[in-house]
Amino acid sequence: SQQGEEDPQALSIQEGENATMNCSYKTSINNLQWYRQNSGRGLVHLILIRSNEREKHSGRLRVTLDTSKKSSSLLITASRAADTASYFCATDAPGRGGKLIFGQGTELSVKP
Amino acid sequence: NAGVTQTPKFQVLKTGQSMTLQCAQDMNHEYMSWYRQDPGMGLRLIHYSVGAGITDQGEVPNGYNVSRSTTEDFPLRLLSAAPSQTSVYFCASSRTGGAGSGANVLTFGAGSRLTVL
Repeated sequence: SQQGEEDPQALSIQEGENATMNCSYKTSINNLQWYRQNSGRGLVHLILIRSNEREKHSGRLRVTLDTSKKSSSLLITASRAADTASYFCATDAPGRGGKLIFGQGTELSVKP
Repeated sequence: NAGVTQTPKFQVLKTGQSMTLQCAQDMNHEYMSWYRQDPGMGLRLIHYSVGAGITDQGEVPNGYNVSRSTTEDFPLRLLSAAPSQTSVYFCASSRTGGAGSGANVLTFGAGSRLTVL
């Protein structure tokens, strides 16, 4: 069963706008990661947030984590056409031996 | 530095045939894993390995075998292909993995697209 569920499933915005994607999960976690997948390619790691962190930044990316609600959000500010991709959250939970379980992904389209 | 290399990129099989998807990494990563990606299903873990000689099952292991005789290679074998195994397969590795060894940040291969007729 999927640990992470993401919404929206698809998001279409204009260049320059901000994009927000959400991820919910079911069990306690060690950390949560976000990955990007361009069409027809493998996934690329974007950012990791640990269970004792609430917010993390990397360039135009901002990730928040609310362990009480078992949810995370990924914000991409000032989006560009090159940000068009699918975005996945992945969780690493205690007792899982490091296995990452992925959500179903959000498909982001940024129109120029 | 090639990273994670998967071969073949594309393969068409007939039901009942067997084949092996190859995965090799040159980063001396301990942890390697196989995922399949299907529309609307995200990525699902098939098998994984925390080091040479050690493998374990993921979420959807049925119909697949793996072995890890070296640190670099982690082949995925389809024993008797079925149309339900039509998918895109990704191999991924990380420097760490396993309980207590640190965050498992994955490096992915480019994928292998398999069609079973």
